Amino acid sequence: GAGVSQSPRYKVTKRGQDVTLRCDPISSHATLYWYQQALGQGPEFLTYFNYEAQPDKSGLPSDRFSAERPEGSISTLTIQRTEQRDSAMYRCASSLGRNTDTQYFGPGTRLTVL
Amino acid sequence: QQQVKQSPQSLIVQKGGIPIINCAYENTAFDYFPWYQQFPGKGPALLIAIRPDVSEKKEGRFTISFNKSAKQFSLHIMDSQPGDSATYFCAASWSSARQLTFGSGTQLTVLP
Repeated sequence: GAGVSQSPRYKVTKRGQDVTLRCDPISSHATLYWYQQALGQGPEFLTYFNYEAQPDKSGLPSDRFSAERPEGSISTLTIQRTEQRDSAMYRCASSLGRNTDTQYFGPGTRLTVL
Repeated sequence: QQQVKQSPQSLIVQKGGIPIINCAYENTAFDYFPWYQQFPGKGPALLIAIRPDVSEKKEGRFTISFNKSAKQFSLHIMDSQPGDSATYFCAASWSSARQLTFGSGTQLTVLP
């Protein structure tokens, strides 16, 4: 695609519910990242994929968070048993795959947990 | 642990002014320092980036100054325009890791 797309753009859920966020990266990009961005802060790294492999998930805040990229393209981020502190903007980015090359960010999903 | 500290939090300048945004880092393993520009409702977009083997890089009206010994780098915007009004993030990463560590952002307003 022309850019990174994310869906839904906005998600409101009740505490305790599970949510799944989707990221569709630029089609030629091997590497896909997930970041969490609190209001007024910079994005914070959650995890990344190199094709379908997930070499680093050190940024995931708890075992309630998980991510998949089963076919090396579209990725999902799932948060189980959501808590109010999970409310944030969730951003996906993709890159060609070489170390430290440009990351292209999507518009994000704004998650609100009531 | 905040590994990249950014200041100021907000900045207002007149058109034509030269806003300067500063960042300081702690991890000496960092070897890539990009700046991202973010407009409301959009994701961050790469503006300019520098590696520690040079002290300055210019691209158009945007300049990064880098001081390796002080572990600091800054963004200067020459002849700033109202269209430059956005949030600016500095970031850093190192070769053995892929993720970016971001600063907390600076909201820049350029008055017409």
